[in-house]
Amino acid sequence: DAKTTQPPSMDCAEGRAANLPCNHSTISGNEYVYWYRQIHSQGPQYIIHGLKNNETNEMASLIITEDRKSSTLILPHATLRDTAVYYCIVSQIPYGQNFVFGPGTRLSVLP
Amino acid sequence: DAGVIQSPRHEVTEMGQEVTLRCKPISGHDYLFWYRQTMMRGLELLIYFNNNVPIDDSGMPEDRFSAKMPNASFSTLKIQPSEPRDSAVYFCASSSSAKEFDTQYFGPGTRLTVL
Repeated sequence: DAKTTQPPSMDCAEGRAANLPCNHSTISGNEYVYWYRQIHSQGPQYIIHGLKNNETNEMASLIITEDRKSSTLILPHATLRDTAVYYCIVSQIPYGQNFVFGPGTRLSVLP
Repeated sequence: DAGVIQSPRHEVTEMGQEVTLRCKPISGHDYLFWYRQTMMRGLELLIYFNNNVPIDDSGMPEDRFSAKMPNASFSTLKIQPSEPRDSAVYFCASSSSAKEFDTQYFGPGTRLTVL
């Protein structure tokens, strides 16, 4: 069973920031938060991950609350190509963990 | 890098036939994963390998499914006999324990239709 809860769908205007929330209230101390996305008909693509600190890379920013029970993925300037299903996953290190993909959030970026 | 390569990209077969899906992971990666995606069940892990050895096959739906990894650059997922309910998109992914964290890189998938 997925350990995360996400809204099923969201809309965002092109050029605006897209803020995708995720609840993971049962996260344990050694579990990381990962975000992947899946553009239609393609394989899932890694976006970003974090443990407790906020993280930023060329694709997005990840904000994790202090109690680590929720997080927000931020796409600062959404484009039409960001339309996809976004998955929030919690998983331990080391490697090869069973990533449990929930239904995710279907983000529609509107022109 | 070419990324994870899967073949065929599309497969249409009739019920009862044997189906073999193929995957070439990214060179140097020591983990390989097979996933299945359907509208009803979403994306679910079937099996994964570490250094060519199957580690967890608890997601394999039944004995009709089998997976092998004869070497570090090749894996197969076989369904025999196939059934209409096996129709899905099958993804292969690979990752490297040499990396700081576990990023799985997915292939483009094989869309299987069993008539």
